[in-house]
Amino acid sequence: GAVVSQHPSWVICKSGTSVKIECRSLDFQATTMFWYRQFPKQSLMLMATSNEGSKATYEQGVEKDKFLINHASLTLSTLTVTSAHPEDSSFYICSASSLGGGGYEQYFGPGTRLTVT
Amino acid sequence: SQELEQSPQSLIVQEGKNLTINCTSSKTLYGLYWYKQKYGEGLIFLMMLQKGGEEKSHEKITAKLDEKKQQSSLHITASQPSHAGIYLCGADLSSSNTGKLIFGQGTTLQVKP
Repeated sequence: GAVVSQHPSWVICKSGTSVKIECRSLDFQATTMFWYRQFPKQSLMLMATSNEGSKATYEQGVEKDKFLINHASLTLSTLTVTSAHPEDSSFYICSASSLGGGGYEQYFGPGTRLTVT
Repeated sequence: SQELEQSPQSLIVQEGKNLTINCTSSKTLYGLYWYKQKYGEGLIFLMMLQKGGEEKSHEKITAKLDEKKQQSSLHITASQPSHAGIYLCGADLSSSNTGKLIFGQGTTLQVKP
C-alpha cells in the first residue's frame, strides 16, 4: 500500500513555543490530507482537512489560529502547534487519500507524539 | 453519543479461536475502513468497503458491509498472537466521498497463546 511518513515521530517542547509536524506522502500525490488527534486510550478525532493550495478546513471546536495547517505541495502538509501548552500534549496522526482499485483508500502516517512541558 | 459504535470494546480470546468485531452507525456508511493500531503507533490499513453487501478477505481477516450500509463486521479466523492490537473502524459519512473519517472507539484485542 501507499506510504505516509511523519516527522518528527516524537517531540518535547516547552510551554509557549511552537512545534511543526510534517506529513509526507512518499509514493503518491495527495490533494487532500487529514490531521487527527488521539488522546491516550481513545479513538482518533478529526481536527482538519488540509487541501493543497488552499486554506484548511477545521472541525468544530478546533482553533485554527492555534493549529496552523499548510499544504504547500501534493506530497507535503504541515501542522504547526503554536504557543503550545501542556493540554496540547497528544498523539497527532495525518492521513492521505490514494485512489486504489476499489475507491479512495486512506493511509495513515505513524504519528507524532507531542509532549509539552 | 458516538456516530460510530464499535463492539465489543475489548476482547480476550484463546489462540486459534475465531472472533468478530462490529461497527454500527445510524447513518449510511459511504466508505467503511478497518485499521489496526498498536498503542502509540500509526494505523495499519486493513480493508475498505463501499458497496452494500460487499465482503473482502485478506489472509485470516474478513470484513463485511451489510446491504443497508449501516453495519460492518470484522471477522478473524483462527486468531494468533500477531492479531493482538486495537482495531478501529472509520467511516466516511458523506455521500460526496470527502475522505473525512469518523472513528469508532476501537476494540482492544488480546490473544492468549
